[in-house]
Amino acid sequence: AQTVTQSQPEMSVQEAETVTLSCTYDTSESDYYLFWYKQPPSRQMILVIRQEAYKQQNATENRFSVNFQKAAKSFSLKISDSQLGDAAMYFCAYRTNFGNEKLTFGTGTRLTIIP
Amino acid sequence: DTGVSQDPRHKITKRGQNVTFRCDPISEHNRLYWYRQTLGQGPEFLTYFQNEAQLEKSRLLSDRFSAERPKGSFSTLEIQRTEQGDSAMYLCASSLEENYGYTFGSGTRLTVV
Repeated sequence: AQTVTQSQPEMSVQEAETVTLSCTYDTSESDYYLFWYKQPPSRQMILVIRQEAYKQQNATENRFSVNFQKAAKSFSLKISDSQLGDAAMYFCAYRTNFGNEKLTFGTGTRLTIIP
Repeated sequence: DTGVSQDPRHKITKRGQNVTFRCDPISEHNRLYWYRQTLGQGPEFLTYFQNEAQLEKSRLLSDRFSAERPKGSFSTLEIQRTEQGDSAMYLCASSLEENYGYTFGSGTRLTVV
């Protein structure tokens, strides 16, 4: 079974600075998807960024980018120019590309932005 | 379209009672998912539908849990004979294609007393 590990329960960063959230996963598959979701205090989860395992190029969405290291099974999220609205729980998630559509989530990292 | 809607937002029930939650997905989305999230944890998969067909159920979904999606539109999740361990946030999500991220609803917070 696939597992997703987020080893940083909490992180904090000064406003306008850059922060990196870590995620590692365990799988024997070669084709899969990885996601970062943001869950603000209102609890609605929002997709931040998505990476396809067969693409070597790291995904980027505005201030959010990932460092995908397939061999190391690592998928970190970098947030540049941190803003107060970035404060939330961030979840890393894995999904196989072989029929099973469920997402397997990590336990999350709570990100605090310091004004 | 206002996104994925879940009703109710909060539900407090006594142990042993039955509860039913509703999820209205984004109208063109053919895939619908149910997850459960306990405090301090990431969401855990419960079940998913493609149109009206329930294609997968987690082992977490005991025989007290049942989900339906009649006509491939809204979905209901029923929990019979609730237990205190059922207290959690129940999240619904929908998607149009299998390889894209979901759109989540705001969830239903269940408290069993």
